[in-house]
Amino acid sequence: DVVLTQSPLSLPVTLGQPASISCRSSQSLVYSDGNTYLHWFQQRPGQSPRRLIYKVSNRDSGVPDRFSGSESGTDFTLKISRVEAEDVGVYYCMQGTHWPRTFGQGTKLEIK
Amino acid sequence: EVHLVESGGGLVQPGRSLRLSCTGSGFTFGEYAVSWVRQAPGKGLEWVGFIRSKAYGGTTEYAASVKGRFSISRDDINNIAYLQTNSLKTEDTAVYYCAREVGYGGNLDYWGQGTLVTVSS
Repeated sequence: DVVLTQSPLSLPVTLGQPASISCRSSQSLVYSDGNTYLHWFQQRPGQSPRRLIYKVSNRDSGVPDRFSGSESGTDFTLKISRVEAEDVGVYYCMQGTHWPRTFGQGTKLEIK
Repeated sequence: EVHLVESGGGLVQPGRSLRLSCTGSGFTFGEYAVSWVRQAPGKGLEWVGFIRSKAYGGTTEYAASVKGRFSISRDDINNIAYLQTNSLKTEDTAVYYCAREVGYGGNLDYWGQGTLVTVSS
């Protein structure tokens, strides 16, 4: 199975400061169609997960442009340019290239 | 507006069965694949299984942890996907979410609110 390793697992951030979450894959996530099926989800406290970014860098509608996704080989990064209070929650990466689908362990973002 | 609503959770004894439902509205349910994802109390997300749309054969995939015990089916007339959970174990205790999948590759664009399954004697 593909292992997605997120870091850090806990991320205390000051309001207005940037934040970065890493998701490292144990193998290539490039599918035979040329797409990379790595997605990011946000789970606010007490809520269901919500898709933030799909296929590495495509922001969902309604997601603020302070969120961005990028890749470098098998390393994927979610960046928040300026953290706001509503960003508190747990962030998960998930790969859909290989079966079974797998999630990272989650990164808990909190405000300092 | 797209909505997914899970139901059927509850308290069940180890070894017993439970059928969860995922009812979709606001979109053409039969055109989409559906995934099930679970979250044990205080833990992260775990992908459970998936059913393709009928256009792609309506076939299923499962995580190793549930293969042979869980099965997914769909009723596109009534816009429902089912997760049949058999031989339940205490470690199956979790909130179970269904999610709509757009295209290929785990692109889960809409999620339900989840239904809690508690396996305990």
